[in-house]
Amino acid sequence: DAGVTQSPTHLIKTRGQHVTLRCSPISGHKSVSWYQQVLGQGPQFIFQYYEKEERGRGNFPDRFSARQFPNYSSELNVNALLLGDSALYLCASSLLGASGANVLTFGAGSRLTVL
Amino acid sequence: AQSVTQPDIHITVSEGASLELRCNYSYGATPYLFWYVQSPGQGLQLLLKYFSGDTLVQGIKGFEAEFKRSQSSFNLRKPSVHWSDAAEYFCAVEEAAGNKLTFGGGTRVLVKP
Repeated sequence: DAGVTQSPTHLIKTRGQHVTLRCSPISGHKSVSWYQQVLGQGPQFIFQYYEKEERGRGNFPDRFSARQFPNYSSELNVNALLLGDSALYLCASSLLGASGANVLTFGAGSRLTVL
Repeated sequence: AQSVTQPDIHITVSEGASLELRCNYSYGATPYLFWYVQSPGQGLQLLLKYFSGDTLVQGIKGFEAEFKRSQSSFNLRKPSVHWSDAAEYFCAVEEAAGNKLTFGGGTRVLVKP
């Protein structure tokens, strides 16, 4: 059974460019979350989507946007890239349990370098 | 706002020795608590979780963690470390019925032969 898959695995962009990162959740998972992990730090929450609707947004500028498609896959878009956007972007999928506990399964991430 | 503190940035332990990683959180109620492990260049793998009930939880790879409400702590332990346990470990909390995890800064574990 495939886990959470992300693409691309690595990419290099220059300042001011735009980037799109893609994520396919585990089959049957309807929730996708995005996290940014800057080198040497813990992951920071960016977005959560459930059934194609945004359920939460972290403290990130409007340059960051995301969407979820009918097949529950997701895209994260970042416009006007800054050097500080260089990070590992992690996608996670989950089944929202009755308790509300959100047990996330993470993908291997997309490593973005902005020059 | 909730926060998670992992006081130890690096820990070096000899193979076969015991390991304890500290995690303290700041939150008004009892949150859901998690430990994840990240190997170099990899995503995060869930080691164990605490939602309620028994405060000592068992996880994968021989790890366990104990929730102490009075100390707002959720420390991770392993009795005997293997070289393959060298990785970075992250403690995380989720508010009940919340929609996001808040992670600590991580503890990097080095294992000496």
